[in-house]
Amino acid sequence: QSVLTQPPSASGTPGQRVTISCSGSSSNIGTHIVNWYQQLPGTAPKLLIENNDQRPSGVPDRFSGSKSGTSGSLAITGLQSEDEADYYCATWDDSLSGWVFGGGTKLTVL
Amino acid sequence: EVQLVESGGDLVQPGGSLRLSCEVSGFTFSTYWMTWVRQAPGKGLEWVANIKQDGSVRHYVGSVKGRFTISRDNAKDSLYLQMNSLSAEDTAVYYCVRGMDVWGQGTLVTVSS
Repeated sequence: QSVLTQPPSASGTPGQRVTISCSGSSSNIGTHIVNWYQQLPGTAPKLLIENNDQRPSGVPDRFSGSKSGTSGSLAITGLQSEDEADYYCATWDDSLSGWVFGGGTKLTVL
Repeated sequence: EVQLVESGGDLVQPGGSLRLSCEVSGFTFSTYWMTWVRQAPGKGLEWVANIKQDGSVRHYVGSVKGRFTISRDNAKDSLYLQMNSLSAEDTAVYYCVRGMDVWGQGTLVTVSS
């Protein structure tokens, strides 16, 4: 059972907009920034969104992040087949004195 | 180009020990927190430990406290993870991460008899 709750799966057709939620608590998301990671099949995770809503250099602007209260959200617009991957949220947790990840969301492009 | 290269993963028997290494290049190692994250086969990501720039502060996930030790050598641009009393639950790909942004390719640790 992960400290951060993500839906296990999401799907959309090419061109659609999909969102992935990440629910936490006051000891983690409510106090700290949220990062999002993309893990393509068979590869290492890659930072997609940092500090709630900032895209690292090279990340397409189709990807965006937001945070409200104790929840974060990742949105992908103009869905493409190459976006099919696992997506993870992460943040620091004060109660655990460590980083915590969501359980991951497997995105399928239909 | 920022690079992190892990090594040391292997097949080890339950109760055994292993030391992972991560050599970095392309950035000033001594100015970053460094992190180990692991991923069991077919499972999600689990943060394992991190260490402050000068090594003075270390944090661990509860399941490895007392068994794993994170360390660094800033003169060698290297991060380490000493793993003792290994069990099957420690079987995973171990990733070295700069702070929480740039990831290495991972090294596989398999604990099995």
